Amino acid sequence: QVQLVESGGGVVQPGRSLRVSCAASGFTFGDYGMHWVRQAPGKGLEWVATISYDGSNNYYADSVKGRFTISRDNFRNTLFLQMNSLRAEDTAVYYCAKDLLDTAMVFCNWGQGTLVTVSS
Amino acid sequence: DIVMTQSPDSLAVSLGERATINCKSSQSLLYSSNNKNYLAWYQQKPGQPPKLLIYWASTREPGVPDRFSGSGSGTDFTLTISSLQAEDVAVYYCQQYYSPPTFGQGTKLGIK
Repeated sequence: QVQLVESGGGVVQPGRSLRVSCAASGFTFGDYGMHWVRQAPGKGLEWVATISYDGSNNYYADSVKGRFTISRDNFRNTLFLQMNSLRAEDTAVYYCAKDLLDTAMVFCNWGQGTLVTVSS
Repeated sequence: DIVMTQSPDSLAVSLGERATINCKSSQSLLYSSNNKNYLAWYQQKPGQPPKLLIYWASTREPGVPDRFSGSGSGTDFTLTISSLQAEDVAVYYCQQYYSPPTFGQGTKLGIK
């Protein structure tokens, strides 16, 4: 079955960088678009970024555009999110999610998430 | 951005009774070229990631019990649980994918 396992979260100071990863298994990774969705503590869901099945197209929420970069390695079945210039408001659980198709923007499978805390 | 507004923010329903959650979008989610509504519903239980229940407003994800159903078109949508079970206690979110995705604020469903 589909398995998505995030890693790389932790505590980071404002202005610093962090990269989180998502290891995928149980499906043909290179056939699907992938996403990052975040959830601040006790809050709702916020879409962050999307990458097409082959990495040729990326999409970002305005709140992270220019600071975050989504990428993928289809040989290693891994999704990445490089987060630069981190702010306190980026504190959240970051989930990776598999698309229903390529970039339908329907999040049909989710990982357990990795917590990123931005604090001095 | 399209704003999604759910109502109510919370509700409590007796076991076996019907639960209804509403979702309204700030613009139509109906794409005229394919006559599909770009609206999904998710369930999030405490300490767990969200789970996709319904997409295209009314298509149930495989494995989702048939007591869950989605309806509506344009700007007004509804998630209905026909007979509430204890395991349905969760927060429910609607999400539009007509444009850059946005979610409703969530509706917390409990047992009366």
